[in-house]
Amino acid sequence: GESVGLHLPTLSVQEGDNSIINCAYSNSASDYFIWYKQESGKGPQFIIDIRSNMDKRQGQRVTVLLNKTVKHLSLQIAATQPGDSAVYFCAERWGNQFYFGTGTSLTVIP
Amino acid sequence: EAQVTQNPRYLITVTGKKLTVTCSQNMNHEYMSWYRQDPGLGLRQIYYSMNVEVTDKGDVPEGYKVSRKEKRNFPLILESPSPNQTSLYFCASSSQGGLEAFFGQGTRLTVV
Repeated sequence: GESVGLHLPTLSVQEGDNSIINCAYSNSASDYFIWYKQESGKGPQFIIDIRSNMDKRQGQRVTVLLNKTVKHLSLQIAATQPGDSAVYFCAERWGNQFYFGTGTSLTVIP
Repeated sequence: EAQVTQNPRYLITVTGKKLTVTCSQNMNHEYMSWYRQDPGLGLRQIYYSMNVEVTDKGDVPEGYKVSRKEKRNFPLILESPSPNQTSLYFCASSSQGGLEAFFGQGTRLTVV
């Protein structure tokens, strides 16, 4: 999974499979955790967020899981499609500031 | 269409020549922010603004200034650019304290 300061991890999945992207966050006082998707040449796009008092939240084809014990966040994408190919970033909000991970590059193989 | 607009999209400048990157949003959002994106480092927050006339430093504010005179605009100012400010810059806005942020298309700045 991604973390601050590391090279960009990569993940390749077959079209139709489920994808799991992991993230380790750093601050136990962060109150929200967010996932963004960034396609080549574009700005990040909001996917889903989760409040720190929750451990799971579902959206359309996506699920975010939060494990505060080990400071771990994951994004699950169901039935991955070619349009899901992008770099995915996790972010945490601490106070009014945001801290982003380094990203995971997801490639969907047709 | 809801959007965050940055200008210019690409800029090459020389060391020490003051420049401004503009950011405008049409969603009446209170929260606006600037980030820089560098390979291997992800996005790092430079400055943010909770509302008009309220700005605060982010994680990497050195060498940058901002202003928030109007709700829709949040320009990023580099008074004396240096080569280590070569980066991809993003402006973002949000109605929820920075959550569910809308990002601009980015400004690729090169300082030589």
